[in-house]
Amino acid sequence: DAGITQSPRHKVTETGTPVTLRCHQTENHRYMYWYRQDPGHGLRLIHYSYGVKDTDKGEVSDGYSVSRSKTEDFLLTLESATSSQTSVYFCAISGGALNYGYTFGSGTRLTVV
Amino acid sequence: TQLLEQSPQFLSIQEGENLTVYCNSSSVFSSLQWYRQEPGEGPVLLVTVVTGGEVKKLKRLTFQFGDARKDSSLHITAAQPGDTGLYLCAGDQGGSEKLVFGKGTKLTVNP
Repeated sequence: DAGITQSPRHKVTETGTPVTLRCHQTENHRYMYWYRQDPGHGLRLIHYSYGVKDTDKGEVSDGYSVSRSKTEDFLLTLESATSSQTSVYFCAISGGALNYGYTFGSGTRLTVV
Repeated sequence: TQLLEQSPQFLSIQEGENLTVYCNSSSVFSSLQWYRQEPGEGPVLLVTVVTGGEVKKLKRLTFQFGDARKDSSLHITAAQPGDTGLYLCAGDQGGSEKLVFGKGTKLTVNP
């Protein structure tokens, strides 16, 4: 069992439309993260959550919002998608002891046309 | 400015060769981790090193944490095609709930 799932796996959307990506975990971990991965930039943190309704911005948060109403779900919303947001998005979870590392989802490939 | 610099960025070798990839920083980390990512999947944790000077072995992979806890290396002995992937290092600076990632080394092992 994966413990963390992302949906959808692939999405194509038009510029200007809102898009929501979902991350679901069954590990009851406190911390959840959204990253985007782009060639030449590596993994960049968008937003993260340290508990239900507790979220904070990462280094590339402009144009993105998040919500966490339940421990198991962390939603990432692109308020008005732009072509620069074409990327692969990864969700990660952590129990809080960072030396145990993150568990990543399989990613969502988003294309904005 | 990238907090963790990985080198080389790309590496293409023949099966059976040895290789080393590096992860360097001017900052001190409480721990450093190595992940491997295969195409179409998320990164998977390989190892965490915590103590300065620590060496950990995972079959043909040897991980080392620098004495000053600012750098790390990954050495692969007798590389196999199954080792192909993107290798990422990540650091925990302590006092934060976030890891800092390097940009990765893309390794290709040719049969």
